[in-house]
Formats: sequence, structure tokens, C-alpha cells
Amino acid sequence: KNQVEQSPQSLIILEGKNCTLQCNYTVSPFSNLRWYKQDTGRGPVSLTIMTFSENTKSNGRYTATLDADTKQSSLHITASQLSDSASYICVVRRGGDQAGTALIFGKGTTLSVSS
Amino acid sequence: ETGVTQTPRHLVMGMTNKKSLKCEQHLGHNAMYWYKQSAKKPLELMFVYNFKEQTENNSVPSRFSPECPNSSHLFLHLHTLQPEDSALYLCASSQEGIGNYGYTFGSGTRLTVV
Repeated sequence: KNQVEQSPQSLIILEGKNCTLQCNYTVSPFSNLRWYKQDTGRGPVSLTIMTFSENTKSNGRYTATLDADTKQSSLHITASQLSDSASYICVVRRGGDQAGTALIFGKGTTLSVSS
Repeated sequence: ETGVTQTPRHLVMGMTNKKSLKCEQHLGHNAMYWYKQSAKKPLELMFVYNFKEQTENNSVPSRFSPECPNSSHLFLHLHTLQPEDSALYLCASSQEGIGNYGYTFGSGTRLTVV
């Protein structure tokens, strides 16, 4: 069954600290993996997109890793800021499928950064 | 803005009302989608339009009716909704067929059915 599991479900950290969010997937065949940031009441905004051959990709203070062998990805946030408080969603695209049904969404990790 | 614009941002409607949600994409994409997001649940795909043709209808009740008049615009017509239909409705677009990378969401419409 094609699934995307994220952990932890929620996380609270102090401003300035680092944190790592996890994503495990069983989607096959694999096409690409995306991390989105979703502020409360807003649409998801893409942070990174990674294909099979990419191990690490950075976007400012956000660094995503991908291990296609173990089917795991992580999103590392460095020097967290209050504005990082949001839901982070891992999305895996299944290869060969039509638009729409190809995307498998995780439930997201809710990150709260406090001062 | 992401290039995908949704209006209105908030909508409160009674169960007997008829309303429409609008989505416009300025990215030149060839596929558009409607998603429903309820609290504590993953995004649920509702409808897919690929090259203006509806290709997916994920068992969505007939009280939701999509319309795609051209490749840049997508509507979701609502009538006789139920309170459980209250959710964040997201529109998205993508360029299918070339790398399958870009997938851009709008800011959503927060719908409350009373």
C-alpha cells in the first residue's frame, strides 16, 4: 500500500534551536519527494523537491535529505525562528500515475517555535 | 503570492445556499486540482483537470460540482452543503508531462457551513 508516514506528529522547540522532521514512505515506484510548509489557514508552499538521485538539498535554513534505499527523508531546520511555526508536509509522487492520484500526502508535523 | 489565486479567502454559507469558489493560475500549467483539507487529516484529492478535461472524481458528493472553462481557471460550485463539508479547500496546478516537478497550491478558501 502506498503510504507516507511522518514523525513526530507535533514538536515544540525554543527559538534558535535546531530540529529534524522525519518522513518514511512505502510509495512505489518512486518519482520524487517534496517537503511543503503550510502556515495555519494557508496553502502549502514548496520547500524542496528531490528526485531519486539527490541525497541532500538545501533552501536557506531548511535542508532535506533522501535515502531512497531505506525510503526515508528528513527535513532539518537550523536556528529556528518564530516564523517557522507551521505544519510541514511530506509528499511523495508515484511514478507512472496520472496527475493528482500520483501524489501521496503525509499527515504533516506541526512545529511550534517559542521564544 | 504563489501564482495560484483563490477567492474568496473565507466563506460562510447556509446549507441551502449556492456559492462558487474560484481559482486562477498564472503559471501556464496544464493541470489543475481541487483538494479538501480537514483538521488532522491529509489533503484529500477531489477533482483533477488535465488539459481542461476532468480525469479524476474521487467519489465526491454531487453537491460539489467542478468547472474548468479554460486551462487557467477552475471553479467549485457548491449547493446544499452539510456542516461536515466545512474545511479548507485548496486549489493547485502543475505542469504534467515534463519532469512532473512543479506543483503549486493556492492560499485556500476557508469554508464554514452553518
